Amino acid sequence: EDQVTQSPEALRLQEGESSSLNCSYTVSGLRGLFWYRQDPGKGPEFLFTLYSAGEEKEKERLKATLTKKESFLHITAPKPEDSATYLCAGRYNNNDMRFGAGTRLTVKP
Amino acid sequence: NAGVTQTPKFRVLKTGQSMTLLCAQDMNHEYMYWYRQDPGMGLRLIHYSVGEGTTAKGEVPDGYNVSRLKKQNFLLGLESAAPSQTSVYFCASRLDRRVYNEQFFGPGTRLTVL
Repeated sequence: EDQVTQSPEALRLQEGESSSLNCSYTVSGLRGLFWYRQDPGKGPEFLFTLYSAGEEKEKERLKATLTKKESFLHITAPKPEDSATYLCAGRYNNNDMRFGAGTRLTVKP
Repeated sequence: NAGVTQTPKFRVLKTGQSMTLLCAQDMNHEYMYWYRQDPGMGLRLIHYSVGEGTTAKGEVPDGYNVSRLKKQNFLLGLESAAPSQTSVYFCASRLDRRVYNEQFFGPGTRLTVL
């Protein structure tokens, strides 16, 4: 069964303290790796799609990278407004995706 | 452009009651999905549709039924609600089958079954 696993479950950072979130996935059959942000009480919001090892994408303080077995979401000099749950998902066929349980990020001022 | 909307936002049911959750999208998307989200678990796919008049089972379909009579609407039905169906339900849509197309999510429906 295709699996996506995220770590850590929760992460607390001070404002400006850079860190990374991890997403490991079943390699066989992966067609795309997606990152979403979810704020409390809201639906997930799309951030990035990655397709091949070595690919990187950036948006403001966030950078997503993909290796042959993992993806990382790097957060540089985070601000309190970056606090959210970050979800990783793997697309294994054209019809659905497998989501990880998410990493709950808290950034303290 | 409202995107993906869900009705209702909150609902409390008693065991055995039935209800229908409505999802609507105004982006002319072909694909639509219903997920449930439980604490400590990822979003799990209940049912999905690849076009008007089509539906298919996802990872956790038992106890749910769906219909897609119009392209813009996707309904999720619970015929006889059980406490195990207490969850937050999200609807999502996607333009078409191309791999790079992301899913757009609605705001969710919080359902409690007593």
